[in-house]
Amino acid sequence: DAGVTQSPTHLIKTRGQQVTLRCSPKSGHDTVSWYQQALGQGPQFIFQYYEEEERQRGNFPDRFSGHQFPNYSSELNVNALLLGDSALYLCASSLARVENIQYFGAGTRLSVL
Amino acid sequence: QQQVKQSPQSLIVQKGGISIINCAYENTAFDYFPWYQQFPGKGPALLIAIRPDVSEKKEGRFTISFNKSAKQFSLHIMDSQPGDSATYFCAASLSPGGYQKVTFGTGTKLQVIP
Repeated sequence: DAGVTQSPTHLIKTRGQQVTLRCSPKSGHDTVSWYQQALGQGPQFIFQYYEEEERQRGNFPDRFSGHQFPNYSSELNVNALLLGDSALYLCASSLARVENIQYFGAGTRLSVL
Repeated sequence: QQQVKQSPQSLIVQKGGISIINCAYENTAFDYFPWYQQFPGKGPALLIAIRPDVSEKKEGRFTISFNKSAKQFSLHIMDSQPGDSATYFCAASLSPGGYQKVTFGTGTKLQVIP
């Protein structure tokens, strides 16, 4: 049973560009959350998708947007990249009926030059 | 403001010793307190979790102690092993109908030396 998979594993972009990160949830999971983890810090909640809708959002600007597809996979889009967007982006999946148990992927390392 | 404060930032423990990591939270509405373990190049993995109606939970060598009145909780790793060397994050969340927004601490890098 595959766990949470994220792609790509590493990505290098320049300031002002746009990036799309992808996440496939653990089999049977219907909720996807995205987190940003800066070097040496804990993950920060970006937003969460359930039933193809954004259900909750953290303190991130509108440059960060997302989407959930009917098969529960999800994308995170970041526009107008800034140097400060360099981080590890983590996707976590869970089952809405089972509270608070999230399974994380290995993340996408984004470097903005 | 929903914050979780974690200490120490780093910890070195001898093999067989006890590792202790402390956390404090502000929002009394939090009702679920998980600990995550993260190895380099991997995402965080749920280690153990506790709800505020319980003062202690033990799973193998890992124990969470919870003090609701002080809004503090801690992770104890008994008989620490080199394989426990990782970064540990405390966290807290609400349970609003199954939507699990998790607020993480800043992490503790644990090194267990032989």
